[in-house]
Amino acid sequence: EAGVTQFPSHSVIEKGQTVTLRCDPISGHDNLYWYRRVMGKEIKFLLHFVKESKQDESGMPNNRFLAERTGGTYSTLKVQPAELEDSGVYFCASSLFRGRAGSEAFFGQGTRLTVV
Amino acid sequence: QKEVEQDPGPLSVPEGAIVSLNCTYSNSAFQYFMWYRQYSRKGPELLMYTYSSGNKEDGRFTAQVDKSSKYISLFIRDSQPSDSATYLCAMKETDKLIFGTGTRLQVFP
Repeated sequence: EAGVTQFPSHSVIEKGQTVTLRCDPISGHDNLYWYRRVMGKEIKFLLHFVKESKQDESGMPNNRFLAERTGGTYSTLKVQPAELEDSGVYFCASSLFRGRAGSEAFFGQGTRLTVV
Repeated sequence: QKEVEQDPGPLSVPEGAIVSLNCTYSNSAFQYFMWYRQYSRKGPELLMYTYSSGNKEDGRFTAQVDKSSKYISLFIRDSQPSDSATYLCAMKETDKLIFGTGTRLQVFP
């Protein structure tokens, strides 16, 4: 069974440019999460999709970040325009259920974003 | 104050040692407790998942949760060089995970 897959693995862009990150969750997982780790800090929650709907986007830093989940399958996270402080590792995770046994989140390998 | 506190280490132990990793938390609403292992340039990999106080054992790994003290632990018995990684505690009330900063563990032969 394929795990959570993220593209690209690494992206280097200039300040002011746009970057789009993609996440393919485990097949059948309705719940999809985005997290981010900036250097020296803990992994922090960005948002949670249930199928195609945003369940919780309380962690999104500002309106330069736009997340979508087309048809409840893969998800994209667009940063436009990118700023230096957006550099970090962006993780996607998926889970089968919510808030109970069986709701373990499985993570992708992450996308390392460097804004120069 | 952070919701989850974890000593970042690094922790360096000889092969065969028993390793103890710990986290404390402040939010008594947390119900689910997890330990993830992360190798360099990889994503976090779920090791243990518990949702009650007490111990849970899986091979060389034991997770311990003490809700009254808001304290969780991960014990690794007979540690191996392949256990060298960053160990992240995580917890949640419903859906989103709150992570500790992670503890770097180095097991030397």
